[in-house]
Amino acid sequence: AQSVAQPEDQVNVAEGNPLTVKCTYSVSGNPYLFWYVQYPNRGLQFLLKYITGDNLVKGSYGFEAEFNKSQTSFHLKKPSALVSDSALYFCAVRGGNTGGFKTIFGAGTRLFVKA
Amino acid sequence: ETGVTQTPRHLVMGMTNKKSLKCEQHLGHNAMYWYKQSAKKPLELMFVYSLEERVENNSVPSRFSPECPNSSHLFLHLHTLQPEDSALYLCASSQGLGGSDTGELFFGEGSRLTVL
Repeated sequence: AQSVAQPEDQVNVAEGNPLTVKCTYSVSGNPYLFWYVQYPNRGLQFLLKYITGDNLVKGSYGFEAEFNKSQTSFHLKKPSALVSDSALYFCAVRGGNTGGFKTIFGAGTRLFVKA
Repeated sequence: ETGVTQTPRHLVMGMTNKKSLKCEQHLGHNAMYWYKQSAKKPLELMFVYSLEERVENNSVPSRFSPECPNSSHLFLHLHTLQPEDSALYLCASSQGLGGSDTGELFFGEGSRLTVL
């Protein structure tokens, strides 16, 4: 069965420091990989995606993610965190050999950026 | 502005009430989705519609009844709900379900449902 794991419930980082939010997936074939962000009392917003090509993809608000096929990981990164980055982040996968059109989400990682 | 509008944003209902959640997308997409978001749980896919046809019903209890009258509108009819159904219900749309569609979802702000 397809699954997405976000091993950290919460990540704390000081403003100005680099941040990483981890994601690993278990999907056969070549799925599409996504990151979404959710601010309080809001819906999810698309940040970035990996379809094919360069393993480092850039997205909104200065975020980027690195795809590693051998480790089946898709970690979200930002070189310098802002307090306003504090939110709930979801990794998601779609497609692969059996996934089709369904998007499977991880449980989410709450990011706290301290001033 | 997200391009996907959900109403109401907040709803409180008793277990014997009947209510509906509404979703409208202004993006020209062909697929629409209902997700349930409960505290400390992953997002649960409930229903998927493509071109007004239901293509996924993810073992959702019959007290939740979706309706998709056209590709821009999606409803979730609620009746005889249980307190454990209290959650944030998110509507989303995507360009399509495959092929050239790379699949990112566009979400509404959600409808926060409380069942008393």
